[in-house]
Amino acid sequence: KQEVTQIPAALSVPEGENLVLNCSFTDSAIYNLQWFRQDPGKGLTSLLLIQSSQREQTSGRLNASLDKSSGRSTLYIAASQPGDSATYLCAVEETSGSRLTFGEGTQLTVNP
Amino acid sequence: SAVISQKPSRDICQRGTSLTIQCQVDSQVTMMFWYRQQPGQSLTLIATANQGSEATYESGFVIDKFPISRPNLTFSTLTVSNMSPEDSSIYLCSTNPTGTDTQYFGPGTRLTVL
Repeated sequence: KQEVTQIPAALSVPEGENLVLNCSFTDSAIYNLQWFRQDPGKGLTSLLLIQSSQREQTSGRLNASLDKSSGRSTLYIAASQPGDSATYLCAVEETSGSRLTFGEGTQLTVNP
Repeated sequence: SAVISQKPSRDICQRGTSLTIQCQVDSQVTMMFWYRQQPGQSLTLIATANQGSEATYESGFVIDKFPISRPNLTFSTLTVSNMSPEDSSIYLCSTNPTGTDTQYFGPGTRLTVL
């Protein structure tokens, strides 16, 4: 059974700092991995999707990497801003069209 | 991309009653997923709904408790039946539009059972 773990569970940083969120998964036979953002009481917003054949994806200040063989992904946020404060979730999809298995999330607070 | 709406956005219900949550997608999609997010927890898949067939439920979730309808390719409903306080959660629907692997989520329905 696939298990997804995110470290740290919570993170508080001053504005402007670069930071890394970690995600690990137990079964490396994945189809893709996605990073989401969730604001309090809201739904999920997709940030980045990395296919199993890819090593990284970038969108603006966000960069996600994937090391499938070791079962790890990182989300790098450059020059953090207070508006980045949210819970960040990673999720793996094992086959095309199948369900997502989520990690517990990292709650990020960026202080002005 | 896909735009997904859910109704209601939130509700407070009495124990023993039922609530039906609606999920509308702005395009035709093959599969729709229903997730539950209990307070302080991550998301857990309840079931997968394909149009024209019975929903597929995950371990720990049963059709009598969470009946699902999928009458067409843009719409689905999830009913939470005979509710108890333990059903207090955010319920989210999701899908990936044809041609993309990205999952899009609705804004969620926040349910409180008293």
